[in-house]
Amino acid sequence: KAGVTQTPRYLIKTRGQQVTLSCSPISGHRSVSWYQQTPGQGLQFLFEYFSETQRNKGNFPGRFSGRQFSNSRSEMNVSTLELGDSALYLCASSLERDSTDTQYFGPGTRLTVL
Amino acid sequence: AQTVTQSQPEMSVQEAETVTLSCTYDTSESDYYLFWYKQPPSRQMILVIRQEAYKQQNATENRFSVNFQKAAKSFSLKISDSQLGDAAMYFCASRQGAQKLVFGQGTRLTINP
Repeated sequence: KAGVTQTPRYLIKTRGQQVTLSCSPISGHRSVSWYQQTPGQGLQFLFEYFSETQRNKGNFPGRFSGRQFSNSRSEMNVSTLELGDSALYLCASSLERDSTDTQYFGPGTRLTVL
Repeated sequence: AQTVTQSQPEMSVQEAETVTLSCTYDTSESDYYLFWYKQPPSRQMILVIRQEAYKQQNATENRFSVNFQKAAKSFSLKISDSQLGDAAMYFCASRQGAQKLVFGQGTRLTINP
């Protein structure tokens, strides 16, 4: 089975722009979670989608949004980019949304905001 | 709220030796899961091992094993016969119920040849 894929792998944007990141989960996985990783804050949870519904949300401003499609693929969008949004954005998928499931991570998208 | 603490920002070990990475956590739930993830320089987060809180037996995966002390809320990772490919950032994480994964700050492991 193919693993979690994320596109693009690298992205450079300027302040004020918006960006969309994509995540394709492992085949059959219905839950997709997004995390932001920075040297200062570490790994922080953004949101989780299950069957096209956002079921969990982290403590991020409304500029961060996401969605999930019927094929379980997910996108996250960041509007009005700020320098502090520079980070590695990780997507993780799991089979079901319950506590028995392990989350498997993609390679991440490295976003640089200039 | 869940919290996970890794008190060792960096560790180093000689190749073929054994190293233990520490992790403590706090949770109000009785049903939860603990994980160790490895993130090599390639940045891909890879699951190393997981432990169900209701299981008393410590999980093992080949050279990797955990020491799960539920009362002390401690979850350390032991790597035996360390190999150069084990060099990475190691993250301890907890998950209670259908909630998010909460990560520690990570421990950078260096393997000396």
